[in-house]
Amino acid sequence: DIQMTQSPSSLSASVGDRVTITCRTSQDITNDLDWFQQIPGKAPKRLIHSASILQSEVPSRFSGSGSGTEFTLTISSLQPEDFATYYCLQHRTFPYTFGQGTKLDIK
Amino acid sequence: QVQLQESGPGLVKPSETLSLTCTVSGDSISPYYWNWIRQPPGKGLEWIGYIFSTGKTNYNPSLRGRVTFSVDTSKNQVSLELTSVTAADTAVYFCTRELQYWGPGTLVTVSS
Repeated sequence: DIQMTQSPSSLSASVGDRVTITCRTSQDITNDLDWFQQIPGKAPKRLIHSASILQSEVPSRFSGSGSGTEFTLTISSLQPEDFATYYCLQHRTFPYTFGQGTKLDIK
Repeated sequence: QVQLQESGPGLVKPSETLSLTCTVSGDSISPYYWNWIRQPPGKGLEWIGYIFSTGKTNYNPSLRGRVTFSVDTSKNQVSLELTSVTAADTAVYFCTRELQYWGPGTLVTVSS
């Protein structure tokens, strides 16, 4: 299985901050990586697919980059509704595997 | 707008079979991949597997052959069966169309 190392596991930030979350994979997955946001009690919501393509209707303050084994999710200016848990997912090889999650909370 | 809704028993006894259905509205089952993902309380996400609308499947080996998916195109439903459940199978189970559209999830507790 491809191992996913997502960091940090938790992050405290303020409204307006720029934050970056990193996901590293144990094998080259080209760009077969998605990013999800999950609010407690809700289903995950896909923000980014194919490493850098913004899902429709997702605000442009979210962006994704990377290829191969290292990927980042950046939120350019945090808004109150962005405080949630974020997960990466590789879908290059079976079984698909998720990162451990990054919990983003208010400083 | 496509909508998904998981349904099934909220409580299953150990060693029994967990059966869930995902009912799709607003679009056809075909020609899409339907993934099942689960999340134990307070923990991260685990990919269970997928079924394509033709019936092609791929399962996570971690479930050691206990899981089976099926598709009923006449009812616009996909289903999951997980046999020989234990407390470790307690989780919220989500169905999702190609990871873009998700159901709200349903909590299944395994307990006697």
